[in-house]
Amino acid sequence: GAVVSQHPSWVICKSGTSVKIECRSLDFQATTMFWYRQFPKQSLMLMATSNEGSKATYEQGVEKDKFLINHASLTLSTLTVTSAHPEDSSFYICSAEPGQGSYEQYFGPGTRLTVT
Amino acid sequence: AQSVTQPDIHITVSEGASLELRCNYSYGATPYLFWYVQSPGQGLQLLLKYFSGDTLVQGIKGFEAEFKRSQSSFNLRKPSVHWSDAAEYFCAVGAGAAGNKLTFGGGTRVLVKP
Repeated sequence: GAVVSQHPSWVICKSGTSVKIECRSLDFQATTMFWYRQFPKQSLMLMATSNEGSKATYEQGVEKDKFLINHASLTLSTLTVTSAHPEDSSFYICSAEPGQGSYEQYFGPGTRLTVT
Repeated sequence: AQSVTQPDIHITVSEGASLELRCNYSYGATPYLFWYVQSPGQGLQLLLKYFSGDTLVQGIKGFEAEFKRSQSSFNLRKPSVHWSDAAEYFCAVGAGAAGNKLTFGGGTRVLVKP
C-alpha cells in the first residue's frame, strides 16, 4: 500500500515551453502533497506544499508563477513548469501525506526534466 | 531555520559488516526526525522516524537510530549490511506546525563491497 506515482518519469522539452508533471496517490487519499527538487548528487529541496482545494504554499525563493501547482483532488497534484529554461532541468519529486498528523510522507519515483 | 548535516558523502562497507551513518541537526524546538533511503528508479522510502519517547528507534530492514539531544544527532545503524543496502540515505528533520515540512541532509551514498 501507500504508493505514489509520477508521470512522466522523464521528459525533454525545448526552452520556452511548459511542462506538466502529475503526482498521484494510488491507494490512499492525500490531504497534503509536497513538491521537491533534487539536483544531481544533491539533496532534496522542498519547493511547495499543497493542500487539496487550496492554493499552494511556496518556499522562499521558489517562483510561484514559474512553478504552478494544482491540487485538484485528494489523489492528484500537478506541477507545471512554465516557460522552462535549461536551468530548470532537474529531478522533481512529489510526496503525499495520507492525513493530517500522520507525520509520514510517501514519495513518488521522481520525474527527470531536461530543458534544451 | 532548521538544518541537517550528514558529514559523510560516501561510505564503503563490506557485506556483513556494521554500518553507521551520521546525522546532525539544528532546530529550535523538539525535532521530528526521519531517515529515508533512495534507490535508483524508486521513490524515497521511510526507514524510521522519531517524534518522542524511547530514543532508540527501530525501523525496517534491520535499521535502528538513536536520538541524542545533547549531541543534536540522530545516527543510523545496521549491525550487518547486505548488498541490497547499497543506496543513498537521507536524514531529515520535520518542522512546521504539523512537523511535515521536511529539510533533508545532503545524503550519504553507501557502497557495499562483496
